[in-house]
Amino acid sequence: AQRVTQPEKLLSVFKGAPVELKCNYSYSGSPELFWYVQYSRQRLQLLLRHISRESIKGFTADLNKGETSFHLKKPFAQEEDSAMYYCALSGHNYGQNFVFGPGTRLSVLP
Amino acid sequence: DGGITQSPKYLFRKEGQNVTLSCEQNLNHDAMYWYRQDPGQGLRLIYYSQIVNDFQKGDIAEGYSVSREKKESFPLTVTSAQKNPTAFYLCASSWTVDSTNEKLFFGSGTQLSVL
Repeated sequence: AQRVTQPEKLLSVFKGAPVELKCNYSYSGSPELFWYVQYSRQRLQLLLRHISRESIKGFTADLNKGETSFHLKKPFAQEEDSAMYYCALSGHNYGQNFVFGPGTRLSVLP
Repeated sequence: DGGITQSPKYLFRKEGQNVTLSCEQNLNHDAMYWYRQDPGQGLRLIYYSQIVNDFQKGDIAEGYSVSREKKESFPLTVTSAQKNPTAFYLCASSWTVDSTNEKLFFGSGTQLSVL
């Protein structure tokens, strides 16, 4: 079965500190991995996706197939990074492309 | 603020009542989805549709119904059979269902509460 886990419900860091939001997945195959973010009073939106190998707002995520992880990292957190972050996977099971994790609320303290 | 529009923002349901949540998109997307968001559980798929007049059940379809009469519209009805309807409901769309690399576009959500 496909599943996404995010072990931390809440993560608090100080401004300027490094941040890592953990994501692990289980999937029999080669899924695509995504991070979605929901800022206060805004819509849920795509932050980045593995296939693009991009850095958005200073965030990066590396897919580790051996550890089945897709952790989100940023070297220096900013207060505006405070939001709810969801890890998601997309597989080849027709019609159920996206499976979301439970989410981690990141709070960046001044 | 184009893209996907959900209405109403807040909705209250009485016992035994059916309520319908609206979702409209002007992105010309083929695929549309309904998710339910509960605290600590992430998003769970209720129904999805890849084309007009076609829709499929997701993980938690019981107690819900949908229709897709127009490409732009994908309303969700929460029926009286749904015993725990209080949740935040999100509508989303994408170009297709088939690609694993599709980006989802989300609406702003509807908070449904039971009176």
